[in-house]
Amino acid sequence: GENVEQHPSTLSVQEGDSAVIKCTYSDSASNYFPWYKQELGKRPQLIIDIRSNVGEKKDQRIAVTLNKTAKHFSLHITETQPEDSAVYFCAATTPDTGRRALTFGSGTRLQVQP
Amino acid sequence: DVKVTQSSRYLVKRTGEKVFLECVQDMDHENMFWYRQDPGLGLRLIYFSYDVKMKEKGDIPEGYSVSREKKERFSLILESASTNQTSMYLCASSLFLGGAGQPQHFGDGTRLSIL
Repeated sequence: GENVEQHPSTLSVQEGDSAVIKCTYSDSASNYFPWYKQELGKRPQLIIDIRSNVGEKKDQRIAVTLNKTAKHFSLHITETQPEDSAVYFCAATTPDTGRRALTFGSGTRLQVQP
Repeated sequence: DVKVTQSSRYLVKRTGEKVFLECVQDMDHENMFWYRQDPGLGLRLIYFSYDVKMKEKGDIPEGYSVSREKKERFSLILESASTNQTSMYLCASSLFLGGAGQPQHFGDGTRLSIL
């Protein structure tokens, strides 16, 4: 089955700096890659996603890049703010309709220092 | 906006008890999921369901069962609770659109403690 590895496990940046979180996946058939943000005590919420027919997607200060050849994708946050502090999860899924579930990375705790 | 509601935010039970965690979604989603979240391990899939009365094992189904009698409701059952099942449990739902992955929408979670 699919395996998703996420790095780093913790990341501390100064306010205004950029943050990058990287994930690798094992199944070359995977075609959907969402990123979730989970603030302390709250539910995971989708912040951005990308499909395998696209190499990059941006939404204001957040961007995701996908390298299908290398089987890795990354989340980029620019001009970080204290409210970006949270745990971020990457995930991947394949078109195998029998599963329909996401495989998650282990999470990255991002701390933005004011 | 999709709403996924879990019946309890916090639950304390004793070892050996049968425990029911309930989840309801209001968007007519075909797929529903139960995950377990532990520090450093991310979200691990316990069971999922793609239709009423249908269920599939996830990655860690041992010690759990599920029930989906109505499309909007998906229940997780701990048949005989053990201390190693102390965890945060998250329910999620998603649309089914053929082979294209879809975002999952999560509930607030149930923090379950087994004493």
